[in-house]
Amino acid sequence: GENVEQHPSTLSVQEGDSAVIKCTYSDSASNYFPWYKQELGKRPQLIIDIRSNVGEKKDQRIAVTLNKTAKHFSLHITETQPEDSAVYFCAASPQVNKFYFGSGTKLNVKP
Amino acid sequence: GAGVSQTPSNKVTEKGKYVELRCDPISGHTALYWYRQSLGQGPEFLIYFQGTGAADDSGLPNDRFFAVRPEGSVSTLKIQRTERGDSAVYLCASSLAGGQQETQYFGPGTRLLVL
Repeated sequence: GENVEQHPSTLSVQEGDSAVIKCTYSDSASNYFPWYKQELGKRPQLIIDIRSNVGEKKDQRIAVTLNKTAKHFSLHITETQPEDSAVYFCAASPQVNKFYFGSGTKLNVKP
Repeated sequence: GAGVSQTPSNKVTEKGKYVELRCDPISGHTALYWYRQSLGQGPEFLIYFQGTGAADDSGLPNDRFFAVRPEGSVSTLKIQRTERGDSAVYLCASSLAGGQQETQYFGPGTRLLVL
């Protein structure tokens, strides 16, 4: 099955700096890559996703890039704010409705 | 509109007991998923329903785990003879039609603690 690895496990940045979280996947059949944000004790919420037919997608301060050849994708958050502090999960989907999640990155944005 | 809801929010039980966890998906969503999230880990797929039928139950860890969705809406995850290792947050998600590359919307989860 699919194996998704996520790095780093923790990331601490100063408010206003950028944050980058990286994921790799193993199954070349994966064609959908969502990113979820999970605040402590809350549900995971989709923040951005990318499909395999594009290499980059941007939504305000958040962007995701995908390199299918290397089987990796990254989340970029610019101008970080304290409210960006949370755990972020990447996921890959090689088949209908089956998501494989990374182990998460705890982002701490220091004011 | 209302999102995915799950009850109870917390469940404490003793080893060997039976538990039921309920999920109410977003109205009109035909696809429903159960995941298990252990501390410090990402959600792990358990089972996927399309309508009333379990389309993929390959993630269920063993035969103590079972899930139903009799009317194609609410689903119940059932765990028999609970073990301490079953302690985790059980997340439910739903999506509109079950198509590929479709967004899954998560519920708040049920935190299960087996003593």
